[in-house]
Amino acid sequence: QQQVKQSPQSLIVQKGGISIINCAYENTAFDYFPWYQQFPGKGPALLIAIRPDVSEKKEGRFTISFNKSAKQFSLHIMDSQPGDSATYFCAASYGGSQGNLIFGKGTKLSVKP
Amino acid sequence: ETGVTQSPTHLIKTRGQQVTLRCSSQSGHNTVSWYQQALGQGPQFIFQYYREEENGRGNFPPRFSGLQFPNYSSELNVNALELDDSALYLCASRGGGSYEQYFGPGTRLTVT
Repeated sequence: QQQVKQSPQSLIVQKGGISIINCAYENTAFDYFPWYQQFPGKGPALLIAIRPDVSEKKEGRFTISFNKSAKQFSLHIMDSQPGDSATYFCAASYGGSQGNLIFGKGTKLSVKP
Repeated sequence: ETGVTQSPTHLIKTRGQQVTLRCSSQSGHNTVSWYQQALGQGPQFIFQYYREEENGRGNFPPRFSGLQFPNYSSELNVNALELDDSALYLCASRGGGSYEQYFGPGTRLTVT
């Protein structure tokens, strides 16, 4: 019930293409769903996040789609660039602003020029 | 770059030893969480401190302990180190009432 399942494990996309990463969860108490980007040797950086009362959130080239009934959410990266090559983690938390994050296992994205 | 800093950057310890890792939270952030990230895995929650009190703990044994100081900086202590403790240890901070957690660069611990 505490797991967040992320797919695919790795993804190769051509420059200018759309990258799509999916996550699924079981615990309906989750109330916050962030995505983090991590480059090798660095800590995770908060990219974009959504609350379950919203079905979509867009920030620049990054969009989260959220399907509460299916208990799934996804990250879409439009016009993918080589600089987007990194590992992406979805996460979820419950317990309001004091909740801890439960992470997926990550997706390694490679954007080919 | 977030305003979260961690020290040291890297360290190597021997099995059975003890280690202390340090974290300075972003200015104004009163909640600090620690995570362990094994190679190729997502971060796993260790514990969280809010106003100097532990207010959440993940599935880690008691030899993982911590402190938070009045300036909201924090320490993670690990006793009786095991080989499986080799990982990147991440500290994250957030402000009161905020969901957003901001991570530091991490400390890479190697246990030999």
